[in-house]
Amino acid sequence: EAGVAQSPRYKIIEKRQSVAFWCNPISGHATLYWYQQILGQGPKLLIQFQNNGVVDDSQLPKDRFSAERLKGVDSTLKIQPAKLEDSAVYLCASSLAPIWGSQETQYFGPGTRLLVL
Amino acid sequence: AQSVTQLGSHVSVSEGALVLLRCNYSSSVPPYLFWYVQYPNQGLQLLLKYTSAATLVKGINGFEAEFKKSETSFHLTKPSAHMSDAAEYFCAVIGDSARQLTFGSGTQLTVLP
Repeated sequence: EAGVAQSPRYKIIEKRQSVAFWCNPISGHATLYWYQQILGQGPKLLIQFQNNGVVDDSQLPKDRFSAERLKGVDSTLKIQPAKLEDSAVYLCASSLAPIWGSQETQYFGPGTRLLVL
Repeated sequence: AQSVTQLGSHVSVSEGALVLLRCNYSSSVPPYLFWYVQYPNQGLQLLLKYTSAATLVKGINGFEAEFKKSETSFHLTKPSAHMSDAAEYFCAVIGDSARQLTFGSGTQLTVLP
């Protein structure tokens, strides 16, 4: 079974530029998550999709971050314009069903490492 | 609000020695608890999870963790460390905020030859 795929693996940009990350979840997984992992910290949830609908984006900085999941499969996360503090690893994860009060497991991709100069 | 505290950002053990990584949680409802491992430049991999069945949970690679409600703890152990265990370990909880998995700040495990 193929895992969660993410691209690119690394990205270096100047501040105020825009950047986009792509995620392809495990086939059949209805729920998709984007996390931000700053160096030295645990992952923090940015947004959660159930199929192609947003379930939770309470921690997404909506003035600069956006995400979509067209057709309920692949997803893109965009930052525009980027700030220095956006330097982090962006992890995508998927699960068969929502993890709320359940025993579902989230499967993580390898992440995209972003450096904003 | 739910939270996780991992005591010790860095832990070093000798190969063959006991591994003990500490995790304490805060939740006003019975939690689900998880341990994940992250190898360099890789995503997180689930080691084990507690979902209110048995309090002693066995995971992959010889790891296990015990849920202790009275101590609000879910410490991760392995009887004998192997060089391949060197990685970062994250404890996580689903509790009050049942929609989200909240992670601790991680513990970097170093295994010395």
